[in-house]
Amino acid sequence: ETGVTQSPTHLIKTRGQQVTLRCSSQSGHNTVSWYQQALGQGPQFIFQYYREEENGRGNFPPRFSGLQFPNYSSELNVNALELDDSALYLCASSFGGGRDNTEAFFGQGTRLTVV
Amino acid sequence: AQSVAQPEDQVNVAEGNPLTVKCTYSVSGNPYLFWYVQYPNRGLQFLLKYITGDNLVKGSYGFEAEFNKSQTSFHLKKPSALVSDSALYFCAVRDKGYSTLTFGKGTMLLVSP
Repeated sequence: ETGVTQSPTHLIKTRGQQVTLRCSSQSGHNTVSWYQQALGQGPQFIFQYYREEENGRGNFPPRFSGLQFPNYSSELNVNALELDDSALYLCASSFGGGRDNTEAFFGQGTRLTVV
Repeated sequence: AQSVAQPEDQVNVAEGNPLTVKCTYSVSGNPYLFWYVQYPNRGLQFLLKYITGDNLVKGSYGFEAEFNKSQTSFHLKKPSALVSDSALYFCAVRDKGYSTLTFGKGTMLLVSP
């Protein structure tokens, strides 16, 4: 098991609501990346936080936002939920802004269902 | 831009036989290449990576992968498959100039007893 923990593990929300997902990074890591994995698809990069600042963003709308705290844990916030937001959300912990040659370690994910 | 292709949705192999899961990639510079495995209702587990050096990379659980620059491929292999290897396998690439990891769509490996 990695030292990356995500909460909650499962969540059901209604369309239009807002949701916050949380991730604690592995000890010694200062970079957190968030991915969305829709059913039957590979993970898609949402954004990355490095030293409390956004360090890259994928093709996701502004209603997907996040932040990183001084202890390098992170939150993913999604506003105005849509049915298509239903997916497994994965947090990945790494070091050095993701630009070094070390691998990222993933949490177990949060399964979000929007009804 | 960087991309990964996993041409097989599913690979079937009998226990004890060798297995190969295919991956090809596209990057503008030199790639970092990774294989991850996902078991049902779980996150991704790191298997192995290619950074530089030997083209044959050894990883966890007896898996290995061969980097072929001319064919832009990074196929995952194992000499003798186990039923417990049945899972979803993802190939991923990162251009050395970027921080973003790009994944393939995944290949389901089914190992029959």
